[in-house]
Amino acid sequence: QVQLVESGGGVVQPEKSMRLSCAASRFTFSNSALHWVRQAPGKGLEWVAAISYDGTEKHYAESVKGRFTISRDNSKDTMSLQMDSLRADDTAVYYCARDVYGGWFDTWGQGTLVTVSS
Amino acid sequence: EVVMTQSPATLSVSPGERATLSCRASQSVSSNLAWYQQKPGQAPRLLIYGASTRATGIPARFSGSGSGTEFSLTISSLQSEDFAVYYCQQYDNWPPLTFGGGTTVEIK
Repeated sequence: QVQLVESGGGVVQPEKSMRLSCAASRFTFSNSALHWVRQAPGKGLEWVAAISYDGTEKHYAESVKGRFTISRDNSKDTMSLQMDSLRADDTAVYYCARDVYGGWFDTWGQGTLVTVSS
Repeated sequence: EVVMTQSPATLSVSPGERATLSCRASQSVSSNLAWYQQKPGQAPRLLIYGASTRATGIPARFSGSGSGTEFSLTISSLQSEDFAVYYCQQYDNWPPLTFGGGTTVEIK
């Protein structure tokens, strides 16, 4: 079935950078908008960023604007999240999710944990 | 930003009983509301979109209703696998997309 798989998480020091990837399979990747959603330990869901099907439109949460960059490569069926100037409050499980039509998510990856700590 | 408020924070229900979860938006989101279920250690799973349309493969015991600012998710007869955290999410006015804080449905 439709699948999204995140990678790239781990432990990183404050103010450093990290890049997450999301690999897609079993659907037409270039037809779908995609998002990143995160969940801090023991907390709720927080939307982070979105990218349109063709990569021309990008949106960010205020909490990450100017520090995170979302991108995609439709030739490789992958999406990425470049995270710079990381802070302790960026610690979370990061999920990629497929946007079916206008902002709701029918498919989620399993998540990748990012821990920002010295 | 549209603020989503879920109540109660925790709902204690016996298996076989009915559960009703509420979600309120700080401004009208029309019917542009989704519900997700999340179990420990798992990614969220889509239950409902368009406020009342069940996603593929979701059992009929799950139903959503409401429009504007008031929404509810009803589980008609709780099964053991339904004990989880439930989130509502609006997609009417974004960015940002916003989620409610979640309702934990626990075994009574």
